[in-house]
Amino acid sequence: AQSVAQPEDQVNVAEGNPLTVKCTYSVSGNPYLFWYVQYPNRGLQFLLKYITGDNLVKGSYGFEAEFNKSQTSFHLKKPSALVSDSALYFCAVSKQTGANNLFFGTGTRLTVIP
Amino acid sequence: GAVVSQHPSRVICKSGTSVKIECRSLDFQATTMFWYRQFPKQSLMLMATSNEGSKATYEQGVEKDKFLINHASLTLSTLTVTSAHPEDSSFYICSASRGRNSPLHFGNGTRLTVT
Repeated sequence: AQSVAQPEDQVNVAEGNPLTVKCTYSVSGNPYLFWYVQYPNRGLQFLLKYITGDNLVKGSYGFEAEFNKSQTSFHLKKPSALVSDSALYFCAVSKQTGANNLFFGTGTRLTVIP
Repeated sequence: GAVVSQHPSRVICKSGTSVKIECRSLDFQATTMFWYRQFPKQSLMLMATSNEGSKATYEQGVEKDKFLINHASLTLSTLTVTSAHPEDSSFYICSASRGRNSPLHFGNGTRLTVT
């Protein structure tokens, strides 16, 4: 069975500083990994995905994530945080190609402090 | 870009009544849609996979007679919460994909409050 862990419920970072939101996964076979962002009372917005290829994946709004197979991690990063990045971030994994049947982590609330 | 519309965004109903939530893919056809439930400060829990023209596939522990799903067309899936009770109060989110190699697009969710 597949699972995703986001070890931090809350991450605080000062505006302009780099940010990292952690994610580790467990899945048999090749993982398909995703990051989504959720703003209050809204659905999720797709940020980026890793299917195959380069371990460093670039996505929307300046975010990127690095797939690390040996550490089974897929941490989300951004070089310089904006106040508008404050939101709830979800990591997700699927065993299947594409985005069907996703299993989500518990989410990490990112707060960027002005 | 792909857009998924979910309606209503917010609904309050009395205990014992039924509530229908619609999920529409506005600019693409979705053979498969997904319904999630999100509790406060928790992750999304997949409730069921809605398949156009066939019965939905429910996740373990989800009552199919309580959460009725209909996917009558390639652009519309509905979730009906039957005989709602206060414990059904939650945030319900739908999603759809153009295909297996495409990312999921989510609706904005429906906040259901059962009084």
